[in-house]
Parts: sequence; structure tokens; C-alpha cells
Amino acid sequence: DVKVTQSSRYLVKRTGEKVFLECVQDMDHENMFWYRQDPGLGLRLIYFSYDVKMKEKGDIPEGYSVSREKKERFSLILESASTNQTSMYLCASSSSGMGQGGARGYTFGSGTRLTVV
Amino acid sequence: AQSVTQLGSHVSVSEGALVLLRCNYSSSVPPYLFWYVQYPNQGLQLLLKYTTGATLVKGINGFEAEFKKSETSFHLTKPSAHMSDAAEYFCAVSGGNAGKSTFGDGTTLTVKP
Repeated sequence: DVKVTQSSRYLVKRTGEKVFLECVQDMDHENMFWYRQDPGLGLRLIYFSYDVKMKEKGDIPEGYSVSREKKERFSLILESASTNQTSMYLCASSSSGMGQGGARGYTFGSGTRLTVV
Repeated sequence: AQSVTQLGSHVSVSEGALVLLRCNYSSSVPPYLFWYVQYPNQGLQLLLKYTTGATLVKGINGFEAEFKKSETSFHLTKPSAHMSDAAEYFCAVSGGNAGKSTFGDGTTLTVKP
């Protein structure tokens, strides 16, 4: 069964800490995405990556960075955590295969619920 | 550019009743359309998708959706609701080869006994 694995289900961090959220997929997917989910706001795209070492900003990149050194791993970094970054973070991946990049849909991880205190 | 509007943030139905969740989209290229379901404290799971071909698509758990280009809609239906259908549902659109989807704000489905 194909999987996207997020390293932590629940995380509590202090304001100002540097936070790493890890995501690993075992499907050899080219595309990986980080979203945050907040009540009433749906899913908002933070960053995405189409290939190793490539990254592009999504709709709300401020306060975040990402790293993709290997195809299977996409890390989200909160440089200095703040309370307004308390949220559910969702990682997803998709295949670009045969130019049908938009057609495959996403496979999501289970999410990391981050609380910044 | 692409966008999705889900009409109704909360929908409540009785068990056994018809489920209808509404989704309208806009896209500058022929769209790919998706419905995802999210159960509490879990990630999203793909329910069904429209890419090309037949406009009525069937998904898991008895759900189906119809792509109507003239109405720019992709509404999700299920003839008979079950208690286990209670969840949050997201409509999404993806255009071209970019692979990037835009999601609606979600609709929470409540099923009453």
C-alpha cells in the first residue's frame, strides 16, 4: 500500500524554536506539497517541490522554508515558531507521470498537529 | 488561474437520505476535478476524480460525482447516507500538467440517526 508518512502526529513547541516537520513517501513521486489546515480556511499551500532540490512558494510561505535533498523526503522548517503557526500540517505527494501531473490526485499523510506555546 | 467554491460549510442529513455536496470551479484550462474525504484527526483520502471521458464518475463508499462543464460544477452525491459518512469533504481542481491542486474550504457532513 502506497504511503506518505509524517514523522509526528502531535508536536508541542515553544515560541522561537526552530521546528522541523518531516515527510517521506515511498511511491517514487516527483511532486511533494506542504499544506496547513485551519478551521474555516480549508487547505492553504505553503510550499511545493517538483523535483529534488527544487522548491516553489505556495500561497502562504512567510515564516516557513523547505528542503528536498532526496526524492522521497520533503521537510518543512519553521525558522522561529510563533503561536500563529499553531495548526494542522499536511504533506502530500503526486506523480507527474507521462505529462499527466494534474490528473493523478494527491496521496496525503496523516497530518501533524503542531501547537506552539 | 483556478479556484473552487464549495457551497455550504455544513450539511446535515438523516441516515438513509440523499447526500448532495456542491462544488463549483473555475479553471483557465480543461480541469481535473477531485473529491477528498477527511475523517477526524486524519489526512485526506481521495474519493473520486474526473480527468477525461465519462462525466459521471464513481468513487469509493458509494459516492459519485458528475462533471457539468456548462455549469462549471462537480457535485458529490450518495443515494443513501450512512453514519460512517460523517466527515469533512473537500473538492479540488487541478489544471494542465502542473500537478498543483487548489482546494475548496471544505464541507462538514453530519449524519443524524
